[in-house]
Amino acid sequence: KNQVEQSPQSLIILEGKNCTLQCNYTVSPFSNLRWYKQDTGRGPVSLTIMTFSENTKSNGRYTATLDADTKQSSLHITASQLSDSASYICVVSASLYDYKLSFGAGTTVTVRA
Amino acid sequence: GAVVSQHPSWVICKSGTSVKIECRSLDFQATTMFWYRQFPKQSLMLMATSNEGSKATYEQGVEKDKFLINHASLTLSTLTVTSAHPEDSSFYICSASRVKDSGYEQYFGPGTRLTVT
Repeated sequence: KNQVEQSPQSLIILEGKNCTLQCNYTVSPFSNLRWYKQDTGRGPVSLTIMTFSENTKSNGRYTATLDADTKQSSLHITASQLSDSASYICVVSASLYDYKLSFGAGTTVTVRA
Repeated sequence: GAVVSQHPSWVICKSGTSVKIECRSLDFQATTMFWYRQFPKQSLMLMATSNEGSKATYEQGVEKDKFLINHASLTLSTLTVTSAHPEDSSFYICSASRVKDSGYEQYFGPGTRLTVT
């Protein structure tokens, strides 16, 4: 069973609107959680990284939250743009020096004009 | 900083031939490099981990004789898909890691689309 579950699987939003993506994980121990943006046919690009002591991190119009107690994270996209159309992947690391990452299946976001 | 490149970005080959994919860390020396495979609408799956000058460590279920990995230097790793078959068609992504204060940081390449006909 995947230790990182993302929802929804996909969503369509109108340009200028906001949306929130969810990530629930069971990875334990927990070191950090990252959100990546992956454009079609491209590699993932890091948006945010949060350790267990951080509960929010922003990167421009992207804001990630983390609740380490409930093992939930969210990624909020504000004032969406057409270029935000991509897959957003939640990735959890169990240890600072453990290279193995647990990947969510991603949420595909489509922004329409 | 921390740019990882892959070459080629896409390749089409005939069944039975071999294909080599290069992964380079352009502006840093990578402690370790990783190879992932990604099928459409699915998550990245780790195939193998390689360190410069040593044999790669393959994940369970990944055939080491089919997916040959060479890690010649701290900035270059290659993945060779030998005797490719249509089921090997996939998106292959490499990443390179270095140690920072926050621990291991992996930087992903742009990926290589392999189509076997």
